[in-house]
Amino acid sequence: DGGITQSPKYLFRKEGQNVTLSCEQNLNHDAMYWYRQDPGQGLRLIYYSQIVNDFQKGDIAEGYSVSREKKESFPLTVTSAQKNPTAFYLCASSTTSGILNEQFFGPGTRLTVL
Amino acid sequence: GESVGLHLPTLSVQEGDNSIINCAYSNSASDYFIWYKQESGKGPQFIIDIRSNMDKRQGQRVTVLLNKTVKHLSLQIAATQPGDSAVYFCAERGPLTGGGNKLTFGTGTQLKVEL
Repeated sequence: DGGITQSPKYLFRKEGQNVTLSCEQNLNHDAMYWYRQDPGQGLRLIYYSQIVNDFQKGDIAEGYSVSREKKESFPLTVTSAQKNPTAFYLCASSTTSGILNEQFFGPGTRLTVL
Repeated sequence: GESVGLHLPTLSVQEGDNSIINCAYSNSASDYFIWYKQESGKGPQFIIDIRSNMDKRQGQRVTVLLNKTVKHLSLQIAATQPGDSAVYFCAERGPLTGGGNKLTFGTGTQLKVEL
């Protein structure tokens, strides 16, 4: 089946530790995105990548880092500099060609800082 | 800045009734809109989309209406079922600084279906 996978589903981290969230897609999409979702709120864009080896900051990039070494993978690192990292993290992908660029979402990773 | 918002945070409907979820957008340059459904603890799922050159688009049990004059978007669900209970988000597409497109999401509406 084609789709996006995220792992782990639940992640616990101690304050001061960096943690990396995995996102993999087999949809052959060029673009990938990371969003953060807090309770009762919409999705906010952290980072996005339009093509391999290139990525751009979104609206709330501070305290996060990403890499895009492979088309299929777009891992997100939540660093100790992120002051309020507890949230639900969603990865998405889309095509970059054509007029309609629906984003497909993964199942999400819930990060809790202890 | 530009924003997408929803009028009602929670909507309760009886099973079998029709549901209407509303969304206001502020960027008149947005050219594409999507409705997503998100069940608890899961990622958003695509429901239906509409381009700005259309007023209405129908899918299976769902219809999206776009009123560009008042910058309003709505999602209609016919014969609402218990499985429709979820949070519904609208999203509008705008340009990204580095090229490509960005989706801006509203805060969502919780749809509750009562038996």
